[in-house]
Amino acid sequence: AQTVTQSQPEMSVQEAETVTLSCTYDTSESDYYLFWYKQPPSRQMILVIRQEAYKQQNATENRFSVNFQKAAKSFSLKISDSQLGDAAMYFCAYITSGTYKYIFGTGTRLKVLA
Amino acid sequence: DAGVTQSPTHLIKTRGQHVTLRCSPISGHKSVSWYQQVLGQGPQFIFQYYEKEERGRGNFPDRFSARQFPNYSSELNVNALLLGDSALYLCASSSFGGNQETQYFGPGTRLLVL
Repeated sequence: AQTVTQSQPEMSVQEAETVTLSCTYDTSESDYYLFWYKQPPSRQMILVIRQEAYKQQNATENRFSVNFQKAAKSFSLKISDSQLGDAAMYFCAYITSGTYKYIFGTGTRLKVLA
Repeated sequence: DAGVTQSPTHLIKTRGQHVTLRCSPISGHKSVSWYQQVLGQGPQFIFQYYEKEERGRGNFPDRFSARQFPNYSSELNVNALLLGDSALYLCASSSFGGNQETQYFGPGTRLLVL
């Protein structure tokens, strides 16, 4: 079965510190795309970062970076210099070649402490 | 440019009733996907439409149906509502619905079934 596991239901980080959110996934496909989405309390899901499975280089977007370990099927998100506005639910997701649906994890709630 | 819009924002129905949810994609996007997000869970794929044709369907009963209009907006219909249909319904759009594309999510419609 295609699954995404986010083993940390909730995480806390001090403002300006660094935090890493974990994600593992299970697929037998070799061609797929991975995503981290942020869902603030206002509910709208916002793309944080994406990674193509065929790329070995880890994606980076400003303060957000990923650690993509394809063999281990691991896709963690690192947030550097955490800000109060980073507080949200974070969802890990992937989509495989030939399908049209994202498979989402159950999310990690990130709290940022002032 | 306007993002994905959804209406209504909130809805309260009783068991057995029917509901119609609406979505307008980002201008230029031809594909719309629908997801159900039960409280505390990640979104679950319901449908994807592209150029008015259903491209994919998740594991949802036939009570769930959708359609896409010539202007690429979409409706999600749910018949014979059950308590378990209470959820946030998310619409996402992309240019062609391909798996390599990022999907952009709307703010959602919160449905409560009493």
